[in-house]
Amino acid sequence: SQELEQSPQSLIVQEGKNLTINCTSSKTLYGLYWYKQKYGEGLIFLMMLQKGGEEKSHEKITAKLDEKKQQSSLHITASQPSHAGIYLCGADNNQGGKLIFGQGTELSVKP
Amino acid sequence: GAVVSQHPSRVICKSGTSVKIECRSLDFQATTMFWYRQFPKKSLMLMATSNEGSKATYEQGVEKDKFLINHASLTLSTLTVTSAHPEDSSFYICSARSLGGGETQYFGPGTRLLVL
Repeated sequence: SQELEQSPQSLIVQEGKNLTINCTSSKTLYGLYWYKQKYGEGLIFLMMLQKGGEEKSHEKITAKLDEKKQQSSLHITASQPSHAGIYLCGADNNQGGKLIFGQGTELSVKP
Repeated sequence: GAVVSQHPSRVICKSGTSVKIECRSLDFQATTMFWYRQFPKKSLMLMATSNEGSKATYEQGVEKDKFLINHASLTLSTLTVTSAHPEDSSFYICSARSLGGGETQYFGPGTRLLVL
């Protein structure tokens, strides 16, 4: 079965600093989703990547999918306290839309 | 983006009772909805796939008689936790994929269930 490994598991950064979260899959990714979650709340869709080498940006968040489609990274530029939360990567394993999730990365941004 | 709602947001019930959780796609139609369970500080675990007009597909280890799923329309799926026990206490989240709207899945805000 497919597994997703996120690193780091937790991250504390000073406001204004850049940061990167990685998501590595044990199998080729058909689609890779990035979501943000506040504890006890639902998931907010950030971006979806499908093609090898694809890169998407939204405001200060950029996500990339490597050429081999087994790893994705999420980069936040000039972090702000509003970026704090749990970031989850989810993989579409080409079985009718089911998503398998990584364990999450908890981000804290110190003012 | 598309909006998915869940009701109730929180529920506390006594052991042995049944609890129904609703998942609605508010501004789009969804032939497929998914139910996940999340434990504290843990990731999401897929429980089942809910298909409009047909039986749900359950993941290995998930009891279908325990977690009843009904997808009666293109905008509503329900999860009923039958004869709930304290170990069923968890955060339940649904997601919906837009019909003809590509692969993006949108998640509801979640329902926190506490069984006493």
